[in-house]
Amino acid sequence: GAVVSQHPSWVICKSGTSVKIECRSLDFQATTMFWYRQFPKQSLMLMATSNEGSKATYEQGVEKDKFLINHASLTLSTLTVTSAHPEDSSFYICSARDHNRGNHGYTFGSGTRLTVV
Amino acid sequence: DAKTTQPPSMDCAEGRAANLPCNHSTISGNEYVYWYRQIHSQGPQYIIHGLKNNETNEMASLIITEDRKSSTLILPHATLRDTAVYYCIVLTSGTYKYIFGTGTRLKVLA
Repeated sequence: GAVVSQHPSWVICKSGTSVKIECRSLDFQATTMFWYRQFPKQSLMLMATSNEGSKATYEQGVEKDKFLINHASLTLSTLTVTSAHPEDSSFYICSARDHNRGNHGYTFGSGTRLTVV
Repeated sequence: DAKTTQPPSMDCAEGRAANLPCNHSTISGNEYVYWYRQIHSQGPQYIIHGLKNNETNEMASLIITEDRKSSTLILPHATLRDTAVYYCIVLTSGTYKYIFGTGTRLKVLA
């Protein structure tokens, strides 16, 4: 089946530094990828939608300059949390939409737990 | 905004069927219903999807009412490993975006 690899699975960084999270579709092409954030005991909140080769579309209230998204190829999207602060500590999850399977082909990564100290 | 409503939590005895309801009263004619589950600290896992007919796969069955305003996910013989948060999602036409509601926290009891 379709596999999405997300790295790292967890990361601890100092306040003020930047952290990059990678999301790769291993066996399919993903023209569209999504980034979610999840706080403890809460549901997934969509942050942004990225389309290969174009700028990401951010959901209302999400700072595009703080959460930089790059989707440079059909198999890779990255999320960079810039100037991280403790309140950015969360579980970040990506999802990739299989170009060939369309709306029935969404696969999620295993998530990245970010802790900012 | 999420287009679905689910009970926040449910318990089910191991070996029994778990029936998880979802209300999606504003669903449009060509919008599918998708079910995913999330086991603690992992990414969501696909379970099943449907449009208007009942569906069954190796994991579960999906029963969609005739008016399509609600559906029920059935895990026929729940095991402890089925303990998870179950999300019912309606994919809005033309947006490609999954908007997650609060989901149902299913606890399977030994």
